[in-house]
Order: sequence, then structure tokens, then C-alpha cells
Amino acid sequence: KNEVEQSPQNLTAQEGEFITINCSYSVGISALHWLQQHPGGGIVSLFMLSSGKKKHGRLIATINIQEKHSSLHITASHPRDSAVYICAVEEVGSRLTFGEGTQLTVNP
Amino acid sequence: EAGVTQSPTHLIKTRGQQATLRCSPISGHTSVYWYQQALGLGLQFLLWYDEGEERNRGNFPPRFSGRQFPNYSSELNVNALELEDSALYLCASSTGQEPKVYEQYFGPGTRLTVT
Repeated sequence: KNEVEQSPQNLTAQEGEFITINCSYSVGISALHWLQQHPGGGIVSLFMLSSGKKKHGRLIATINIQEKHSSLHITASHPRDSAVYICAVEEVGSRLTFGEGTQLTVNP
Repeated sequence: EAGVTQSPTHLIKTRGQQATLRCSPISGHTSVYWYQQALGLGLQFLLWYDEGEERNRGNFPPRFSGRQFPNYSSELNVNALELEDSALYLCASSTGQEPKVYEQYFGPGTRLTVT
């Protein structure tokens, strides 16, 4: 069993839809990261969370430390949001453990 | 502010050769991390350097090694290349300040192809 589990693995949505990607983890963490990976490999760090909720534009990330669960929400999705979204947890020793990623495709 | 840079962008080697990948962190960042993303697999942690020292290492064989220079840039060396070493290698940097939580900023990656 992976230490970090993401769901769904693949997600196709229509432009404008509200999107949720989930991440569950089994280890003790100091922080959780949401990353966006574009075709070709470029990675952008979206959020780093240790508690509560963060919002940036149309993106919202939440974390429940007790339940070891985080969600990434995209409101009013757009085709340019199409990318792989990766959840990563930060453990002691600054080591990141990554989920397998969620491939999001937003159709116009 | 310039981001994390990596070179080369692409690297093609044959089995048994050595590959050297380079990473320059964001100015002011002292920690450099190396990750491997093989095709179809998630990111795997390789190495963490901070202040010139190796702080942590992932589950990779010893032919994966690296170093960090006084200017905090870093090299990843892969010896005796194998076909399965073909992957995207990502470098990230951070301020490395502990015990505070911090962000890792990723570079664009080096795509290594072993033939």
C-alpha cells in the first residue's frame, strides 16, 4: 500500500465544472504539498499546507490532519487547468513522498 | 527572482556510461533535492543536500551519487547507466530552515534517455 494515495487517477471534466482531487496518507507529516505538473515535466508548487485551508485564485486546498486527508478543489475549471496534479507529504528529514498523481483533462 | 535551473534539458547516453546532471538553486536557498520520475511512475526521492552535506538519501543504489558545491549548486551523477535509469530528473531547492516547514521549488527537469 502506498503511503500516499490519490484519487481519482484520471479525471475528465467539462469547462466550468467544479473539480475535486483527493489525497490520503498514512504517515505522520509536517506538511502536505499540492503540485501541478505540465506536459514535458515542468512542476509548479501550488500549495503547502500544515492545517486548515488555503485559497489561490480558483484553487482551494484543505487538509484534515486527524483524518490524514487533503483535497484540492478547482472552481470554474478551464482547459488550461489540464495537467497532472500531485499530492506530496513532507516527513521528518525533509523527505517528500509523492502520490501517483491525478491526470486532469478539462474539455472546452 | 530566477527560479531553479537545471542542465542539460535533455541527455542521451548509452548503457554503462556515466551521466552528470546539474542544478542551480534559487538564490538564498541552501537545500537541494533530487527526484527521479520514471515513465509511468510517481516522483521518487533521490537525495537531499544542505549546506554542502548529504542529509538524506532515497532507496537508490550507490551508483546514484551527488554533491553540493559551496555556492549551493549541485550535481547528480549516475554511474554504470542502465536502461531503467531513463527518466525525468527533477531538482528542487528550499531555504532548508528547520524546524520550520518550507516549500520546495522545482526546476524544469533533465530528461535522461539511456539507450
